[in-house]
Order: sequence, then structure tokens, then C-alpha cells
Amino acid sequence: GAVVSQHPSRVICKSGTSVKIECRSLDFQATTMFWYRQFPKQSLMLMATSNEGSKATYEQGVEKDKFLINHASLTLSTLTVTSAHPEDSSFYICSALGDSRGQPQHFGDGTRLSIL
Amino acid sequence: RKEVEQDPGPFNVPEGATVAFNCTYSNSASQSFFWYRQDCRKEPKLLMSVYSSGNEDGRFTAQLNRASQYISLLIRDSKLSDSATYLCVVNGGADGLTFGKGTHLIIQP
Repeated sequence: GAVVSQHPSRVICKSGTSVKIECRSLDFQATTMFWYRQFPKQSLMLMATSNEGSKATYEQGVEKDKFLINHASLTLSTLTVTSAHPEDSSFYICSALGDSRGQPQHFGDGTRLSIL
Repeated sequence: RKEVEQDPGPFNVPEGATVAFNCTYSNSASQSFFWYRQDCRKEPKLLMSVYSSGNEDGRFTAQLNRASQYISLLIRDSKLSDSATYLCVVNGGADGLTFGKGTHLIIQP
């Protein structure tokens, strides 16, 4: 089945650090990738949608200058949390979607980010 | 506003019992529907897609009622390993995916 790899799985760093998370589709071309954030005991909240070769579309309330998304190829999207602060601590999950209409998204393993 | 509503639970169910969850959605233009399972502190994993005619995968049965805009998931002969949060996910096409908040299931021995 379709596999999405997300790295790193766990990050602990000091406030002010920028953190880069990678999301790769391993066996299919992902025309669209999504970045979600999940706070404890809450559902996934979409942060942004990225399409290969174009700028990401951010959801309302998500700062595009703080959460930089790059989708340079059909198999790789990156999310950079710039100058992270404790309130950015969360579980970040990427997902990838291929070309076929109606197919489910395939999720990465997630990245647990803790900012001290 | 597009919404997907689920009973958050928790549902405490004895092992071997049958349990059913419902999910309602507000976007009548929704095109496809899924149930995901999420274990604690892990990413969601696709459990099954939901088709208009209803579909079954082993102990799991999913049904869709477009007229009433609800989706159901039935788990028969529940196992301890079924304990998880079950997310109802609706694809609104151009409106994208909307996730329910999840239903927490606890299977008790």
C-alpha cells in the first residue's frame, strides 16, 4: 500500500529554534500534501495544503511566515516551524494524496514537537 | 461552515460485544467518506472507505446514508486491540477534508 514517511518523529528543542519536518511519499507521486496539527485530545486541524511547484494555501489563522512549507517535488514536502515557541508544541502530521479522485489520504507517522 | 459531528464517548464495551458509532456531516456536496483509526499519540490510519452501498471488511461494517447525511461504523466481536479513537472523515471535494473529533472506544476484558 501507499507509504508516507515523515521525519523526524520526535523533536525537543529550545525556544527560538527553527525546526524542519520532512514528508515523503515513498511509492507514489503526491500531487497534493497536507499538513495538520493536533493538540492533545483534539482532532486534526488542517494547517495548509501544498501542491507541487506552487505556493501553499494556508488555513485561516495559520501564519505563513511562521510555518514555511515547501513542496519542491512530487514526493517531498517540508514544513519549517520558524523561531518555535512553547505554544507551538504539538503533534504535526503530514498526509499525501495522489491523482485518483476520491482516494483516501495517506498519513505520515507524525512529528511530536516539544519546545522548552 | 462544514462540520462533522461524532459522539466523543468514551464507549466502554466488554470484549466480544458489538459496538456502533455514528457520524453526521453538514456538507451535502461531500463526495467520499472514510473511517480512520487513531491510537494514542500516533498518526491516523485508514480503517476503511465508506461506499453508498455499504461495505464490510471482516468484523467492520460501514454504511452511508446520503439522504440523512450520516455515516456509521459497526464493529462485531470486539477485541481488546480495537481500543482506539475512530475518526470520521468527509471529503468535500474542493472543500477538502473535514475530520470529526473522534469517538474514543475502550474494550474491556
